[in-house]
Amino acid sequence: NAGVTQTPKFQVLKTGQSMTLQCAQDMNHEYMSWYRQDPGMGLRLIHYSVGAGITDQGEVPNGYNVSRSTTEDFPLRLLSAAPSQTSVYFCASSYGRAYTEAFFGQGTRLTVV
Amino acid sequence: DQQVKQNSPSLSVQEGRISILNCDYTNSMFDYFLWYKKYPAEGPTFLISISSIKDKNEDGRFTVFLNKSAKHLSLHIVPSQPGDSAVYFCAARGNTGKLIFGQGTTLQVKP
Repeated sequence: NAGVTQTPKFQVLKTGQSMTLQCAQDMNHEYMSWYRQDPGMGLRLIHYSVGAGITDQGEVPNGYNVSRSTTEDFPLRLLSAAPSQTSVYFCASSYGRAYTEAFFGQGTRLTVV
Repeated sequence: DQQVKQNSPSLSVQEGRISILNCDYTNSMFDYFLWYKKYPAEGPTFLISISSIKDKNEDGRFTVFLNKSAKHLSLHIVPSQPGDSAVYFCAARGNTGKLIFGQGTTLQVKP
């Protein structure tokens, strides 16, 4: 049982480049979300989805785009990378609002130079 | 505007003693609170949770206390073990279901 899988684990981008962070879960979870972790800031919610075809903004959505075409996948797109987006990104999934325990992926460490 | 705050960035305790990690929140509409544990280079893992209608939940060495009037929750670890050394995040669930996390507290348990 793979759980939540994030790819890549590490990435270096140049300012202005775009890329997609992949997230897939095999637990048939309805709820998926993306967080970024920065020193002293904890985990901040970027975007989330309560089901296929439904997405919404979190606390820090600017500069990021998401879509949810299937239950399993929830990719995060950086449209034009900036140094301020250097962070560790975590994808999480859970059964839905009735279930509070979220399962996290291993994270993607992104550096924008 | 930080809705969930962990004001202590770090905590150091001796093995066998009690660890108390604290968390404050501002939104009275939060209905569920959780603690997550994170080791370096890994994703956070769920530890324990508590509903807003309760004031205590216990799971082995871990107990979470909720004081709604003070908008405060705490995690007690008794006895603390070196393997408990990690970053601990508290989180609160809002009415849309999304989780809001605090800044984290790094716990070091010394042998």
